[in-house]
Amino acid sequence: NAGVTQTPKFQVLKTGQSMTLQCAQDMNHEYMSWYRQDPGMGLRLIHYSVGAGITDQGEVPNGYNVSRSTTEDFPLRLLSAAPSQTSVYFCASSPNRDQPQHFGDGTRLSIL
Amino acid sequence: AQSVTQLDSHVSVSEGTPVLLRCNYSSSYSPSLFWYVQHPNKGLQLLLKYTSAATLVKGINGFEAEFKKSETSFHLTKPSAHMSDAAEYFCVVTLRGGSYIPTFGRGTSLIVHP
Repeated sequence: NAGVTQTPKFQVLKTGQSMTLQCAQDMNHEYMSWYRQDPGMGLRLIHYSVGAGITDQGEVPNGYNVSRSTTEDFPLRLLSAAPSQTSVYFCASSPNRDQPQHFGDGTRLSIL
Repeated sequence: AQSVTQLDSHVSVSEGTPVLLRCNYSSSYSPSLFWYVQHPNKGLQLLLKYTSAATLVKGINGFEAEFKKSETSFHLTKPSAHMSDAAEYFCVVTLRGGSYIPTFGRGTSLIVHP
């Protein structure tokens, strides 16, 4: 049972490069979310989706895009990487808004 | 709008002694409350949840938490700490009405001494 799978696990980018962080879940969950985790800040919501074709902004959406073409996949795109986007990124899914989230193991991203 | 305050950034205990991790919240609607644990270089794992049923919630690994509406608190406790409990703990609130933006506390690092 894979749960939530994030790829890659590690990535180093140069300022201005773009890339896509992948997230897939096999639990048929409607809700999916992307967070960033920075030291002493907890997790902050970047974007979320309540079902295929529906996305919305979280607390810190600037510099990131998402799409949800299928229930399973929820990729996060960095349009033009900046050093301030150096962070650990977590993807999570849940059946609905009131149920606990299942988290992937994270992507550690460094922007030079 | 909602907010979560974890009152201690670090808690240090000896193995076999009780654990108390404190969480206060504020919300405009009825909240759902969660505690998650994060071991190093891992994602978050659910410990327990409160979603308007019993106010004393039992979770995995001997942890429990009590929802106290009058004190707007949801403190996490365990009678006897194990070395394997050393990790980062996060208190999270979501609203059962309004916008869906789970709010995380900043985390409490639990240190367990032998």
